[in-house]
Amino acid sequence: SQKIEQNSEALNIQEGKTATLTCNYTNYSPAYLQWYRQDPGRGPVFLLLIRENEKEKRKERLKVTFDTTLKQSLFHITASQPADSATYLCALVLDMGRRALTFGSGTRLQVQP
Amino acid sequence: EADIYQTPRYLVIGTGKKITLECSQTMGHDKMYWYQQDPGMELHLIHYSYGVNSTEKGDLSSESTVSRIRTEHFPLTLESARPSHTSQYLCASSELTPGSTDTQYFGPGTRLTVL
Repeated sequence: SQKIEQNSEALNIQEGKTATLTCNYTNYSPAYLQWYRQDPGRGPVFLLLIRENEKEKRKERLKVTFDTTLKQSLFHITASQPADSATYLCALVLDMGRRALTFGSGTRLQVQP
Repeated sequence: EADIYQTPRYLVIGTGKKITLECSQTMGHDKMYWYQQDPGMELHLIHYSYGVNSTEKGDLSSESTVSRIRTEHFPLTLESARPSHTSQYLCASSELTPGSTDTQYFGPGTRLTVL
């Protein structure tokens, strides 16, 4: 079955370092992939979208890569700050008939000061 | 900041009560969604809608029902609340136009506790 996999273990890094989160998917070739941030008790917030014909996308300290051969996206936060601590979700449309995003389970990032 | 609103933000209610969770958006989006999420757990899609008079069940079976009489409004109702319904309920919306990327905009959520 089609699914999205994110590392369920929390990622702990020191302030100033680069955080790298992974999103893997199976059995599908999506036209685009999205990343969201979710803080405890709040709804996810859209961060970045990358299309299948884009290898890399940047927004301020954020960078997303998309490897359709490996079926993987990497999400990087450079010069990380404690305020970046949150859960990060990747999402893509697995069912084009329904046209609804399927979200990964998310990876919690903790940036230590 | 997304223009999507949910009320109430918090609700504590007794077993057997009927409740309606409200969700409204002012972005003119055709698609709307309801998710259920327990603390630290993943999002589960329970209902979605393509537009007025359209409602579909999501991936997670839910005893709740939804309606879509107006584009901007997508309320969720539980006829008889039970402790197993205790969770956070998140509403979202997205565009439904050719070439749209299905980016979803979420409300702040309703934290429901059923005693």
